[in-house]
Amino acid sequence: SPDLTQPPALSVSPLETASITCSGALLETAFVSWYQRRPGLSPLLLIYQDVRRPSGVPERFSGSTYGGTATLRIDVTQPVDEADYFCQVWDATAGIVFGAGTKLTVL
Amino acid sequence: QLQLQESASGPVRPSETLSLNCKLSGDSMSRSGFFWAWLRQAPGKGLEWLGSVSYSDIPYLNPSLKSRVSLVADTSRNQFSLTLDSMTAADTAVYFCARQVVPYDSSWRGSYFDSWGQGSLVTVSS
Repeated sequence: SPDLTQPPALSVSPLETASITCSGALLETAFVSWYQRRPGLSPLLLIYQDVRRPSGVPERFSGSTYGGTATLRIDVTQPVDEADYFCQVWDATAGIVFGAGTKLTVL
Repeated sequence: QLQLQESASGPVRPSETLSLNCKLSGDSMSRSGFFWAWLRQAPGKGLEWLGSVSYSDIPYLNPSLKSRVSLVADTSRNQFSLTLDSMTAADTAVYFCARQVVPYDSSWRGSYFDSWGQGSLVTVSS
C-alpha cells in the first residue's frame, strides 16, 4: 500500500513552533490535508489542499509542501495543541490514504 | 450547521456483521460536491478510510476491505449506512462518519473531510 511517513512523536515547549512532516511520493501529485485528533474528540480538519485553512482554525496553523514532503506548522504552540496529527492524500489505487500520525507533546 | 450522528453499536461477536447508520441534521446529503464517508481508528493505530458513497448511492470502497464493506445512501431519510461483514478483533475501533468534500476542479485528488460525527466505539469480543 502507498506510504505516507510521519514522525511518531514530537515534543515542543509552549510558545515554540512545531513542524510536523509527512513524506511520500504521493505528495508530488496529490493535495494533502491535515487533521488534529485530541483524546476523546473527533478529528478536526486543520489544512486542506496543501495550504488552505478552514474558517475557525487559528492562523497559528499553516501548511506547506515541497516536492515529496508536506509540513504542518504550529506557531506559538499551546498546551491545548497536544494531540495526534494526521496527513491525508488520495491515491488512484488505494483511495484515501492517511499517515500513521504524529503525537505532539507540549511540555 | 451540518451535524453528523453515528448510531451506537453494542458488542459484536467474531464473525458477525456490523451495521452502523449516520444521520445528518442541518443540511441535505443531496447537495452536489460531497460524498459521505466512513472511517475508523483502532486503539493505538492511525485513521483508516473504509469507503465513501455519493448521494446517488454510488460507493467507492477501500480496496483492502472491499469484499467485506457495503455502503448505502438514503436521501429520503438523510442518512447513510455502513455494513462490515465477518468482524474480527482487528475491527475493534472507533467508527466515524464524515462529509467528504470533492472539489469540482480537482476531484478526489483534492478531496478532504470537513465534518465528522462524534464516533461510535465498536468492540469485537466473544
